[in-house]
Amino acid sequence: DTEVTQTPKHLVMGMTNKKSLKCEQHMGHRAMYWYKQKAKKPPELMFVYSYEKLSINESVPSRFSPECPNSSLLNLHLHALQPEDSALYLCASSQVLGQGRGKLFFGSGTQLSVL
Amino acid sequence: AQKITQTQPGMFVQEKEAVTLDCTYDTSDQSYGLFWYKQPSSGEMIFLIYQGSYDEQNATEGRYSLNFQKARKSANLVISASQLGDSAMYFCAMREGPSFTGANSKLTFGKGITLSVRP
Repeated sequence: DTEVTQTPKHLVMGMTNKKSLKCEQHMGHRAMYWYKQKAKKPPELMFVYSYEKLSINESVPSRFSPECPNSSLLNLHLHALQPEDSALYLCASSQVLGQGRGKLFFGSGTQLSVL
Repeated sequence: AQKITQTQPGMFVQEKEAVTLDCTYDTSDQSYGLFWYKQPSSGEMIFLIYQGSYDEQNATEGRYSLNFQKARKSANLVISASQLGDSAMYFCAMREGPSFTGANSKLTFGKGITLSVRP
């Protein structure tokens, strides 16, 4: 099983809503990532979890709150988003230091629209 | 300065022909890894090929090969025998530093190249 599964695939939310994005992998990877991608642009790193602990936060606004409840799951909680937050949110996982040559496995993303 | 440069705005290739997608990179580290990812319109980022800075041979994965020229800091992707399903956006990316395989080593992407395969 070499899949990273993201749900939902599409999400429309208002600026006052609270929603969550979910990511799951069963490859035994202990590093998980959230990326944000605008159309026709490269992905931008948001957060990295290593062994279920937040290791990188790329100065992301607090309206985005990540959570890694166990080694297979990664959530991104959304609250009071702005229209400019509309984007494709990609989850990825990888093996940790010294293994797997740093290759990231990506999910198919959640397309988020903030109205 | 950009770490990964992909200057081709869009590429067109006839089905069954080969195509080269250009990528140059900038790093002062001796240890780094170079990656190519494909992103079709469905959105998923699909890993294609990897080249380590210390790998002596160019990487190959099926129809994909990487033309690695370390002195020129280029890592061009060659797709042989193009197929209609190859139409997608292609990103070159790099992880650098002594622990570049670690989770705390960021994967830096280029701007991407759109490839269209004509029947």
